[in-house]
Amino acid sequence: GEDVEQSLFLSVREGDSSVINCTYTDSSSTYLYWYKQEPGAGLQLLTYIFSNMDMKQDQRLTVLLNKKDKHLSLRIADTQTGDSAIYFCAESINQVRDSNYQLIWGAGTKLIIKP
Amino acid sequence: DTAVSQTPKYLVTQMGNDKSIKCEQNLGHDTMYWYKQDSKKFLKIMFSYNNKELIINETVPNRFSPKSPDKAHLNLHINSLELGDSAVYFCASSQGDMSSSTDTQYFGPGTRLTVL
Repeated sequence: GEDVEQSLFLSVREGDSSVINCTYTDSSSTYLYWYKQEPGAGLQLLTYIFSNMDMKQDQRLTVLLNKKDKHLSLRIADTQTGDSAIYFCAESINQVRDSNYQLIWGAGTKLIIKP
Repeated sequence: DTAVSQTPKYLVTQMGNDKSIKCEQNLGHDTMYWYKQDSKKFLKIMFSYNNKELIINETVPNRFSPKSPDKAHLNLHINSLELGDSAVYFCASSQGDMSSSTDTQYFGPGTRLTVL
């Protein structure tokens, strides 16, 4: 079945770069997403990448996609305390049985910032 | 302006009760969703709904039912609440219909349900 996997924790020093990794199993994924969840808050869309792209950059965020290895990463440059959150990877896949798309979610990576 | 809003933010209730969580989106989106996030932060979709169809995750008990009075609202009704229903419930919406892979979902702030 479809599966998305992420490490549960990542600890980095303030000012360093954070790299959050995600692997997925469904090769028919069309879009892959990164969502951010701050403590006690909802899910905020950070960025997304189409499956025919290798890289997407948006200010401090860089998304890298290796479709051959089914590996997605989110790099946050110059990590700040405000980046402390849980980061969810999600892939959009087609539910063959009814031709609708659904997001399959990873478990989330908690980013911990050390001073 | 809040794009996707949910009420209440917190809900504490006794086992066996019936409760509702409301969701509203002012984005003009066609499709709305309900997700359950358990204590380990796993997110699972419960329902996808637009004016054409309702898709139910087959693992969702029939005590849960979505009700949509109009396109901007999708409320979640839960009957006979059980301890295992304690979780954070997120509403989301997207512009298109569920047949589009480009459809980005926008989430509400979540409702923390605690069943005692």
